[in-house]
Amino acid sequence: GDSVTQMEGPVTLSEEAFLTINCTYTATGYPSLFWYVQYPGEGLQLLLKATKADDKGSNKGFEATYRKETTSFHLEKGSVQVSDSAVYFCALSINNNDMRFGAGTRLTVKP
Amino acid sequence: GAVVSQHPSRVICKSGTSVKIECRSLDFQATTMFWYRQFPKQSLMLMATSNEGSKATYEQGVEKDKFLINHASLTLSTLTVTSAHPEDSSFYICSGVGEPGNTIYFGEGSWLTVV
Repeated sequence: GDSVTQMEGPVTLSEEAFLTINCTYTATGYPSLFWYVQYPGEGLQLLLKATKADDKGSNKGFEATYRKETTSFHLEKGSVQVSDSAVYFCALSINNNDMRFGAGTRLTVKP
Repeated sequence: GAVVSQHPSRVICKSGTSVKIECRSLDFQATTMFWYRQFPKQSLMLMATSNEGSKATYEQGVEKDKFLINHASLTLSTLTVTSAHPEDSSFYICSGVGEPGNTIYFGEGSWLTVV
């Protein structure tokens, strides 16, 4: 079935370091891909999304490119801040039906 | 823009009692709503798909008699955890599908603690 596999955490970085969180997917159709962020004690927030191959989603300095050839949607940010500390979820959706989430990656950024 | 509101955000109930969580779509009509559960340090798992005016579709392993879902209108779906046990303590979050472009919007989530 459709599924998402993302890099296991936790990930600990120093402020201004480069971030990559890997995400690959398996899908029978043509999924839309998403990254959600969950700050401590809060619900999910959509960070960015891409709906077709080669699309690049970007928001708040984060970006991810929908790579059909490698079935990947890796999340990157050039310079992380302490405020980026959160859990990041990669997810897919076929025809905007239910979401399939990855296991989540906890990021801690230290000053 | 479209918003999904969940209530209550936090609830503590005694073991054996029932608790209801509401999920409302604001400014849009959600024919379909989804309910997820997230245990500590784990990912979100789909529990059920709720369609307005019909019975919910439950994922394998989710007890439909324990987790009652009612989607009585295009803007409201409710999840009732019946005869709650401490192991039902979890983060429950709903989402609704709305415009533009059939976008999926998530509620803020509800933290349930059963004592």
